[in-house]
Amino acid sequence: DAGVIQSPRHEVTEMGQEVTLRCKPISGHDYLFWYRQTMMRGLELLIYFNNNVPIDDSGMPEDRFSAKMPNASFSTLKIQPSEPRDSAVYFCASSPPRTDGNEKLFFGSGTQLSVL
Amino acid sequence: AQKITQTQPGMFVQEKEAVTLDCTYDTSDPSYGLFWYKQPSSGEMIFLIYQGSYDQQNATEGRYSLNFQKARKSANLVISASQLGDSAMYFCAYRHPAAGNKLTFGGGTRVLVKP
Repeated sequence: DAGVIQSPRHEVTEMGQEVTLRCKPISGHDYLFWYRQTMMRGLELLIYFNNNVPIDDSGMPEDRFSAKMPNASFSTLKIQPSEPRDSAVYFCASSPPRTDGNEKLFFGSGTQLSVL
Repeated sequence: AQKITQTQPGMFVQEKEAVTLDCTYDTSDPSYGLFWYKQPSSGEMIFLIYQGSYDQQNATEGRYSLNFQKARKSANLVISASQLGDSAMYFCAYRHPAAGNKLTFGGGTRVLVKP
């Protein structure tokens, strides 16, 4: 299996532009997570999906952020308009169906976003 | 919300020695899971070890072991026989049983292994 695939690996954009991050989870996994990592705030959960349905989006910082999962093999995280404080590494992760509680998260390589 | 605390921002360890990374958590849930992940300088997140709150024994995975003290709400990671490749950030994470598979992460501890 190729693992969780994120694109792009790096994104540099100007303030005010729209940014779209993409994620392909591992086949058969029914949970998908978007995390953001910064020096100041560490690893924060933004939103997670179960069976393509958003379950908890309480970590989404504001209305400029939106996430979708149109099918089991694809998700996007969109920032519109982007701001310099959105600069961070954005991780997508997936995990298999819950059975006995030890299901680990498999992370993608992350997208390094820089908003100038 | 559950709070995960890693009190050691950074530490040095001599190659071939053991190192213990602290992790404490604040919860009133009787059932939960604890995970440790490693993040080397390349940035990827690598799963190391898992401990369930009802597990009778401390988890072990190769050179990694968990010193799980439920009453103290601590789940310290022990890395034995440190290697240069162990230099990385280490994150402790908590799973609430009623929150799907989502993890809440601690702030991390940076480990630097000296030759």
